[in-house]
Amino acid sequence: QKEVEQDPGPLSVPEGAIVSLNCTYSNSAFQYFMWYRQYSRKGPELLMYTYSSGNKEDGRFTAQVDKSSKYISLFIRDSQPSDSATYLCASDNTDKLIFGTGTRLQVFP
Amino acid sequence: DTGVSQNPRHKITKRGQNVTFRCDPISEHNRLYWYRQTLGQGPEFLTYFQNEAQLEKSRLLSDRFSAERPKGSFSTLEIQRTEQGDSAMYLCASSPKGYNEQFFGPGTRLTVL
Repeated sequence: QKEVEQDPGPLSVPEGAIVSLNCTYSNSAFQYFMWYRQYSRKGPELLMYTYSSGNKEDGRFTAQVDKSSKYISLFIRDSQPSDSATYLCASDNTDKLIFGTGTRLQVFP
Repeated sequence: DTGVSQNPRHKITKRGQNVTFRCDPISEHNRLYWYRQTLGQGPEFLTYFQNEAQLEKSRLLSDRFSAERPKGSFSTLEIQRTEQGDSAMYLCASSPKGYNEQFFGPGTRLTVL
């Protein structure tokens, strides 16, 4: 079992939709959780960073962590075609990041 | 541009050749990380430095791989006797002291023929 599991998709939604991206993790010692966006053939770009359980909002993006169920979510409101990318969740394990496989998102006009 | 930079961006080599990649972290970031990413997978941790000290190496880092960070500034990752299985995107990230966020560079895409 991978330490961080993520559905690879692809997920295809119309412009303006609310997108929900999810990950689960197995190591209860994880405390820091991140979401990265990666465009094709580019490096990952940090979108959201949260510590422990709770919600964090930044513009159209909301990150949620539920440590009781070991569940990480990213919500994108009013999705745009420019949001089309691969979204990677990651957890911090003693200074190194453990990534999910990434979910490919396509937002069509 | 004040982000993490990596050179070269692309490298094509023949099996058995040695290759070296360079990473320049964000100024004053004391931690520097190397990851490897293959198609359809998330990045996998290879090694990291705090200043010039190499603190951890993954079991993925075979003895053909070596990384250095002289003087705690830029870092190099060398792969000796490359194999086709080494074909991947090699990503570098840096992190400031006291923070857990890691900021990635654009990566070096290696193709071993």
